[in-house]
Amino acid sequence: DAKTTQPPSMDCAEGRAANLPCNHSTISGNEYVYWYRQIHSQGPQYIIHGLKNNETNEMASLIITEDRKSSTLILPHATLRDTAVYYCIVSPRTGAGSYQLTFGKGTKLSVIP
Amino acid sequence: NAGVTQTPKFQVLKTGQSMTLQCAQDMNHEYMSWYRQDPGMGLRLIHYSVGAGITDQGEVPNGYNVSRSTTEDFPLRLLSAAPSQTSVYFCASSYDRGRRNTGELFFGEGSRLTVL
Repeated sequence: DAKTTQPPSMDCAEGRAANLPCNHSTISGNEYVYWYRQIHSQGPQYIIHGLKNNETNEMASLIITEDRKSSTLILPHATLRDTAVYYCIVSPRTGAGSYQLTFGKGTKLSVIP
Repeated sequence: NAGVTQTPKFQVLKTGQSMTLQCAQDMNHEYMSWYRQDPGMGLRLIHYSVGAGITDQGEVPNGYNVSRSTTEDFPLRLLSAAPSQTSVYFCASSYDRGRRNTGELFFGEGSRLTVL
């Protein structure tokens, strides 16, 4: 059974913010939300992760709802190079459960000129 | 700093042949893992290791063997290749996710295997 639900695809205009949603209604208290992306057929690339507070780094921002049942990854100014499949993953940060990350099908984000 | 290096990048096998996909990392990571990705699908975990001499099965281990004799290397062996093993294989590494998980899993560029 899937731990996360993401839309299969989204479009975003170049230069606009891309908001990628993820539903994780069964998330446990010790599970973090991780985001990765996979550009074309390359190896996935880590973007950001968080527990309950909003997080920001040089690549993106992560907004987690107060009940932690959903989150949104925000790319503030999408470029053509952000076209990729984005994966939302929930996993414990430590312990045996952290050893097996489950990558679903993700969201295919297409940035349009 | 090369990161995670996978070889070969492309390989064609005949059914029943054996081969080894190589994975090496130079970041002194304790955790290493192998995933496979089929067309239009997400990644599925095959095997993982939390240190030299320690390996464990993931979601789809059948048909694959692994060993971890050094911290740096984590080879994946196909003993008798089958067409169902045609896939893209990714190796990944990180610090020990069980103890000091910094969040980031580093991936190689993939090995594309075709079994005829």
